[in-house]
Amino acid sequence: GEDVEQSLFLSVREGDSSVINCTYTDSSSTYLYWYKQEPGAGLQLLTYIFSNMDMKQDQRLTVLLNKKDKHLSLRIADTQTGDSAIYFCAEILAGNMLTFGGGTRLMVKP
Amino acid sequence: DTAVSQTPKYLVTQMGNDKSIKCEQNLGHDTMYWYKQDSKKFLKIMFSYNNKELIINETVPNRFSPKSPDKAHLNLHINSLELGDSAVYFCASSRRDRGPFFGQGTRLTVV
Repeated sequence: GEDVEQSLFLSVREGDSSVINCTYTDSSSTYLYWYKQEPGAGLQLLTYIFSNMDMKQDQRLTVLLNKKDKHLSLRIADTQTGDSAIYFCAEILAGNMLTFGGGTRLMVKP
Repeated sequence: DTAVSQTPKYLVTQMGNDKSIKCEQNLGHDTMYWYKQDSKKFLKIMFSYNNKELIINETVPNRFSPKSPDKAHLNLHINSLELGDSAVYFCASSRRDRGPFFGQGTRLTVV
């Protein structure tokens, strides 16, 4: 994950908002993604944003994209204990291949 | 119905053995992938394959080879397994320009 960067850990209290940040490298990426990985499980596609958008909202999830700074964020409103997981941002590079960040481990405290 | 399924879920084997991991997708996607997730949870692309093109990450040893009998399957063959190959391997599939859907992963342990 050396090309796409994320902070390693985030701890929040249940009911608070969580904001997970990511910086990516390729300004020509057409789509940017957020994946969720629960312990021992595969990667679940949470949401994605097209590069000509600034914001996308999907229920409790809000994705913000700042193309100038190559910065992507995922906001989870009213965070629940079931949101505890590792969250990966990813960008699409040549060959339709995803490059992932190192993942942010979100811990939600009751 | 599982969209991307891979088998086995767990694989424990000795150094030097040859093994395969199978992957099937029922989404009608054109492109399939193999990713490796190491113990620090870093995900790295290994291969991207559609019926026209195989793209290989140059860091992948040639002991690893993908085999695609048809569009719905992309199996991963590994020869002469080494301790450092222990990881979780994820298969995925996608359509053009959209993020892949992933299988549940195969945890490979080489002893």
